[in-house]
Amino acid sequence: GNSVTQMEGPVTLSEEAFLTINCTYTATGYPSLFWYVQYPGEGLQLLLKATKADDKGSNKGFEATYRKETTSFHLEKGSVQVSDSAVYFCARSPRTGNQFYFGTGTSLTVIP
Amino acid sequence: SQTIHQWPATLVQPVGSPLSLECTVEGTSNPNLYWYRQAAGRGLQLLFYSVGIGQISSEVPQNLSASRPQDRQFILSSKKLLLSDSGFYLCAWSVPPDTQYFGPGTRLTVL
Repeated sequence: GNSVTQMEGPVTLSEEAFLTINCTYTATGYPSLFWYVQYPGEGLQLLLKATKADDKGSNKGFEATYRKETTSFHLEKGSVQVSDSAVYFCARSPRTGNQFYFGTGTSLTVIP
Repeated sequence: SQTIHQWPATLVQPVGSPLSLECTVEGTSNPNLYWYRQAAGRGLQLLFYSVGIGQISSEVPQNLSASRPQDRQFILSSKKLLLSDSGFYLCAWSVPPDTQYFGPGTRLTVL
C-alpha cells in the first residue's frame, strides 16, 4: 500500500536536547517527502522537503534525509528550543493520483 | 507569491444548522484543492479534493459536501450540522505533483 508511519508521541525534551522523529513510508516509485509543522491553533506549515533519494531537506536547524534503502525520512535537530514545541507531520506526495499521505503527527514539547 | 485564505477563522454553530466555509487561493492557476478535518489532538482526515472547476472527489461518506465554483475557490458546506462535525478544518492547495500548502484553518464547534 501507500502510507506514512511516524513515531508516536508525545515527545518531551529539555531545551538544547537532540531531537529525532522517525518517519517511514511505503510507496511504489519515488515520491517526494515532506515534514510539516503545526503550531497551536494554526494550519500546517511546510518545514522541509526532499524530492529524490539521498536529498537532504533542511530549514530552521531541522534536517531530514531521503533514504531509499530504508524508506525513511527521519526529522532531526541538534538543539531544540522552547519555540519548537508543536506537532510535526511527515508526508509523501502522490506518485499517481492526487492524494497526499500524512502520518498521524508527533507532538513535541520542549521545556526550559 | 501564492497565498491561501480561509474564513471564518472560528465558528460556533448549533446542531442542525447549515454550514459554509470558504477557501480562496491567490497567485496560482488551476491548483488542486483539498479539504481536511482534524479532530482535537488527532491527525488529518482528507474530506474532499478537486482537480478543476466543478470536479469534486469525496474521500469519506458524511453529511458534508464541497463545491468549486471558480478556479481558486473551494467551499465546504453542510445542510444540517452534527455534533461530530466539530473540528479544525483545513484547506490546502497544490500544483501537481509538488508540495501541498495549507491555509490557516477554521475552528468549528457544534453545540
